[in-house]
Amino acid sequence: DTEVTQTPKHLVMGMTNKKSLKCEQHMGHRAMYWYKQKAKKPPELMFVYSYEKLSINESVPSRFSPECPNSSLLNLHLHALQPEDSALYLCASSSVAYRGQTDTQYFGPGTRLTVL
Amino acid sequence: EDQVTQSPEALRLQEGESSSLNCSYTVSGLRGLFWYRQDPGKGPEFLFTLYSAGEEKEKERLKATLTKKESFLHITAPKPEDSATYLCAVRTGFQKLVFGTGTRLLVSP
Repeated sequence: DTEVTQTPKHLVMGMTNKKSLKCEQHMGHRAMYWYKQKAKKPPELMFVYSYEKLSINESVPSRFSPECPNSSLLNLHLHALQPEDSALYLCASSSVAYRGQTDTQYFGPGTRLTVL
Repeated sequence: EDQVTQSPEALRLQEGESSSLNCSYTVSGLRGLFWYRQDPGKGPEFLFTLYSAGEEKEKERLKATLTKKESFLHITAPKPEDSATYLCAVRTGFQKLVFGTGTRLLVSP
């Protein structure tokens, strides 16, 4: 089974709201990722967690705050977002192999976020 | 700088009309090339991983090949349900993927 689940499917929030996106996988993968995708563009990497520790932050604004409570779960906490943050947010996971090299990334269905 | 370029940007085919999508890359050290299919508003669906020049993989009507500078995704006798955006990505470093901008494929009945 190569399933990554994400909730909610859709989220509408105001600029003063605080919300969270959730991602879960049960493939035993030890690397998890957050991507942001705008319409007709490829996914852009935001964060990478490896063995529950943040290993890559692609200079993402602090209004996005990731959290990895355990090896199966990944959250993205949202606060004081801007309308330009509206996008499809994708979670992915992969196994970690020799010397930390990661294998194929499997993506979830995404959360469509609209910021008003 | 690592770069991935996909062509064409969009491709319109008649059902049964075979064609190829191209992914050319410039990376300092290839650690895997990945093909994904993405339907509108959904997450990318994994298709293939290729690691070394000369490698080929097949799945139903799709066949991916890899050379030292590019990869091709061959679509044989496509059906309307093959319509999607096809994304190519290369792994640079141990954890990061660099994506191309994708090819939007439309197969008409």
